Amino acid sequence: DQQVKQNSPSLSVQEGRISILNCDYTNSMFDYFLWYKKYPAEGPTFLISISSIKDKNEDGRFTVFLNKSAKHLSLHIVPSQPGDSAVYFCAASNSGGSNYKLTFGKGTLLTVNP
Amino acid sequence: DADVTQTPRNRITKTGKRIMLECSQTKGHDRMYWYRQDPGLGLQLIYYSFDVKDINKGEISDGYSVSRQAQAKFSLSLESAIPNQTALYFCATSDPGQGQETQYFGPGTRLLVL
Repeated sequence: DQQVKQNSPSLSVQEGRISILNCDYTNSMFDYFLWYKKYPAEGPTFLISISSIKDKNEDGRFTVFLNKSAKHLSLHIVPSQPGDSAVYFCAASNSGGSNYKLTFGKGTLLTVNP
Repeated sequence: DADVTQTPRNRITKTGKRIMLECSQTKGHDRMYWYRQDPGLGLQLIYYSFDVKDINKGEISDGYSVSRQAQAKFSLSLESAIPNQTALYFCATSDPGQGQETQYFGPGTRLLVL
């Protein structure tokens, strides 16, 4: 049972445009969500997170939106840059329970074309 | 210097061999984790440790063992390697002091079992 789903294996956008990466979850106990970025031959790098008490968190070019009723979150990158090309993983946890455990999606490969 | 380091970065071994992957961290975090990633899949938790006296199995611990030698060191062993253990292995750390935890990953070890 896949509790965190990233239904788009890949996404291609033009430099300067907006990239929108989507993530759906099924476990209503999840209350903390993270996005990681991964370049080839490197480990995942923490990018941005959001608690379920918020519906938006912004950090520079990166904004994460959370829609709890739809169990959906998205990562917006504006403007997209070629250096943003990487695999993006969505992850979720239940901080009230086993807050050690991150459940990951399968990832979305973002390609930003110059 | 990297906060979380893994050795070796690449390893080729044969079926039935015992191998050890090592992880060291300078972040001062109590919690450490081992994950594996298979192509097209997210990260799956193998083992985790909340301190040097605490070791716990994750989702896919069969065929693996771990040792927490010190707060800063957490090693993963494959007692008798098999080809379906060919994967990327990542170590991660986190600090429980913040409630909702963010995990920080090492660069990974690429393992090929022939």
